[in-house]
Amino acid sequence: AQKVTQAQTEISVVEKEDVTLDCVYETRDTTYYLFWYKQPPSGELVFLIRRNSFDEQNEISGRYSWNFQKSTSSFNFTITASQVVDSAVYFCALSENRDDKIIFGKGTRLHILP
Amino acid sequence: DAGVIQSPRHEVTEMGQEVTLRCKPISGHNSLFWYRQTMMRGLELLIYFNNNVPIDDSGMPEDRFSAKMPNASFSTLKIQPSEPRDSAVYFCASSYTPGTGTTYEQYFGPGTRLTVT
Repeated sequence: AQKVTQAQTEISVVEKEDVTLDCVYETRDTTYYLFWYKQPPSGELVFLIRRNSFDEQNEISGRYSWNFQKSTSSFNFTITASQVVDSAVYFCALSENRDDKIIFGKGTRLHILP
Repeated sequence: DAGVIQSPRHEVTEMGQEVTLRCKPISGHNSLFWYRQTMMRGLELLIYFNNNVPIDDSGMPEDRFSAKMPNASFSTLKIQPSEPRDSAVYFCASSYTPGTGTTYEQYFGPGTRLTVT
């Protein structure tokens, strides 16, 4: 079973719009970690955030915010007032307590149109 | 601070040749991961090391692939013989693993784009 599902394969929005990237995960562990990574057109993978399963507080960092809801096994990522530089592939990922591996979703390709 | 360093950045080789990819993790990190990224399969974990010891190599495609970590600051991924289907971007990543069950984020190198003709 796929452990991290990013149902949105590709999204296009006009600059300055808000956009939310969905992430649904599956695990039987009570302790786990969730991550978001950004892969811009240049190709590198950039770490954005890490959240552990015991911390359901939403996080805000500038125009970025994350909504973690254990009840729905979701860890969604919102970009407010999007900019062209936000165009990238965004990966949601999960690490279960049993090992150090990070399981990546398939990614969502985000296009911000000028 | 230096991030994860990978070399070469690009490699073009002919089918049947041996290819060696190199990685230097971030100083102080004790876990190292090798990934492969293709359009068809996405980002796949090939193998990871903890304290220089291979922990899980279940993602290594076949015997043509091998990886080593002779010390805390260097790892190699070797493909011998290479095949066109090995064409992909290979990423190395490192993280700090305290051994308490806590998982910290991985930091990725810039990747090696491998083309096998």
